[in-house]
Amino acid sequence: EVQLVESGGGLVQPGGSLKLSCAASGFTFSGSAMHWVRQASGKGLEWVGRIRSKTNNYATAYAASVKGRFTISRDDSKNTAYLQMNSLKTEDTAVYYCTTDYGDALDFDYWGQGILVTVSS
Amino acid sequence: DIQMTQSPSSLSASVGDRVTITCQASQDISNHLNWYQQKPGKAPKLLIYDVFNLETGVPSRFSGSGSGTYFTFTISSLQPADIATYYCQQYENLPPTFGGGTKVEIK
Repeated sequence: EVQLVESGGGLVQPGGSLKLSCAASGFTFSGSAMHWVRQASGKGLEWVGRIRSKTNNYATAYAASVKGRFTISRDDSKNTAYLQMNSLKTEDTAVYYCTTDYGDALDFDYWGQGILVTVSS
Repeated sequence: DIQMTQSPSSLSASVGDRVTITCQASQDISNHLNWYQQKPGKAPKLLIYDVFNLETGVPSRFSGSGSGTYFTFTISSLQPADIATYYCQQYENLPPTFGGGTKVEIK
């Protein structure tokens, strides 16, 4: 059974930093691209970014709204993906989901339960 | 970025009704379209991939069709378990983008 468990969320002040983790199990993590998608309260889904597999040189891509502030990384030995968020803004407040992308096709096969990040003073 | 326009934004229908949601892309996305279901307080779940293919375990009352820029998602007979918000998503190119969502309620 595929499981994705996010952690590391919480309250942070504007301008602060936070690092989310996504612990994966139940599939071949090293072969899968991984994405982060967020959802502000009562709003729709917004893609945040992606990291590809080692085969694809761990290439990353980001939404324009977070580029230069957020960094996605992964540790295949720990089956874990990360989202480092710097220079946080109030508009980054959202539930953050990690998702799998087995076929590296920019789609989202399985989702974690989500973790809340609140940026507020 | 490819814009995905989904309609309606919400609908209310009776149990057993046929429900249809549309999704229009701002440019040709071929068959690179998925549909997700998000129940209240839960993470989204992939329901349909590549326009019309049902994920394993998804009831056959769900279906999808379309190509190019215009797509539809149908629930043939609405059930109480289908109360959720549904999103289309294109994966033609980066960045992958979602429609605004359709909230489905029981009348």
